[in-house]
Amino acid sequence: GDQVEQSPSALSLHEGTGSALRCNFTTTMRAVQWFQQNSRGSLINLFYLASGTKENGRLKSTFNSKESYSTLHIRDAQLEDSGTYFCAAPRSNAKLTFGKGTKLSVKS
Amino acid sequence: DMKVTQMPRYLIKRMGENVLLECGQDMSHETMYWYRQDPGLGLQLIYISYDVDSNSEGDIPKGYRVSRKKREHFSLILDSAKTNQTSVYFCASSPDWAYEQYFGPGTRLTVL
Repeated sequence: GDQVEQSPSALSLHEGTGSALRCNFTTTMRAVQWFQQNSRGSLINLFYLASGTKENGRLKSTFNSKESYSTLHIRDAQLEDSGTYFCAAPRSNAKLTFGKGTKLSVKS
Repeated sequence: DMKVTQMPRYLIKRMGENVLLECGQDMSHETMYWYRQDPGLGLQLIYISYDVDSNSEGDIPKGYRVSRKKREHFSLILDSAKTNQTSVYFCASSPDWAYEQYFGPGTRLTVL
């Protein structure tokens, strides 16, 4: 079965609000990487975490390897935050397992 | 500024033609990857390269081959392209396979 499960699959936010995206792992993962795929299709690196919490502007991510999950918090959402957010985790054989993504729509 | 580049960005080919997709990185990363992305299937790994001439199959290597003769360049080759190889292809690199991957902008390939 899927090793990386993302929720929700889709999310709609009004500008200025916030929410959390979640990534659950069915096996122990060493690290997690979060990406945004924007409207042009580019995959933008957001965070890489082996543990703990990282913050960058309006985004914050945590990784709990013991409980096998990671979250991405977005606050004060802006229109340009729209896109699909992927989490991914490296497997032992050097392959990155991707979740199916959360499609975020930010509306004015 | 760390960068992964891909050429071309858009390509239209006929079935049976050969296709060459190029990827470059300026970070001296050892490991490079080729993925394809299709609606509903997400990103699928085609090949990994651990360094020059050290390549390994990913999850969907059939119909593809790769070449890495210089650390900064990684090519994906489709010999006799098929219509089901129409997709968006992404290249990525990382300093080591265990670390963060950096993605290129993608190549949209259409095989008619």
